[in-house]
Amino acid sequence: EAGVVQSPRYKIIEKKQPVAFWCNPISGHNTLYWYLQNLGQGPELLIRYENEEAVDDSQLPKDRFSAERLKGVDSTLKIQPAELGDSAVYLCASSWTSGGEQYFGPGTRLTVT
Amino acid sequence: GQQLNQSPQSMFIQEGEDVSMNCTSSSIFNTWLWYKQDPGEGPVLLIALYKAGELTSNGRLTAQFGITRKDSFLNISASIPSDVGIYFCAGQLNSGYALNFGKGTSLLVTP
Repeated sequence: EAGVVQSPRYKIIEKKQPVAFWCNPISGHNTLYWYLQNLGQGPELLIRYENEEAVDDSQLPKDRFSAERLKGVDSTLKIQPAELGDSAVYLCASSWTSGGEQYFGPGTRLTVT
Repeated sequence: GQQLNQSPQSMFIQEGEDVSMNCTSSSIFNTWLWYKQDPGEGPVLLIALYKAGELTSNGRLTAQFGITRKDSFLNISASIPSDVGIYFCAGQLNSGYALNFGKGTSLLVTP
């Protein structure tokens, strides 16, 4: 069974440019999470989806960040415009809605110059 | 979200030694999990604990869910070089909810 797929794995952009990350969860997993991991820190939740509904986006900086999961399967996280402080690893995870462990993708490492 | 207090921050040990790390929180969690993260990869689940007082093993790894539901520990016995990585604890309030992570324990094992 394939794990959580994320792309790109690495992205380098200049500040003020837009950037998008893509995630395909494990087949059948209804719940999808986007986490932000700064260097030397544990991951922190940005947004949680149950199917196509964002049920927890309280930590998402909505002035520049947006996310969508239109068909309840794969998801896109966008930053526009990017700032230097956005340099981090963006992790996607998925799980069954009814419970079960969260499985993480390899992450996208973003560098903003 | 709340970050958990994880200690030690780093450990440098010799192959064959046992390792112990722990995690505390000011809030109660109903699930405690331990993950390992290798460089350039996402966290991989090692052990999940669902009941206060529960002691669970996975090979050379043993973890316990504290009786107060505010702490957990992870032990690794007879460490080997491939145990090198960063170990994160995570607490979860309810099933499906976001994980609250510690800052990680960096483990280095010398042959």
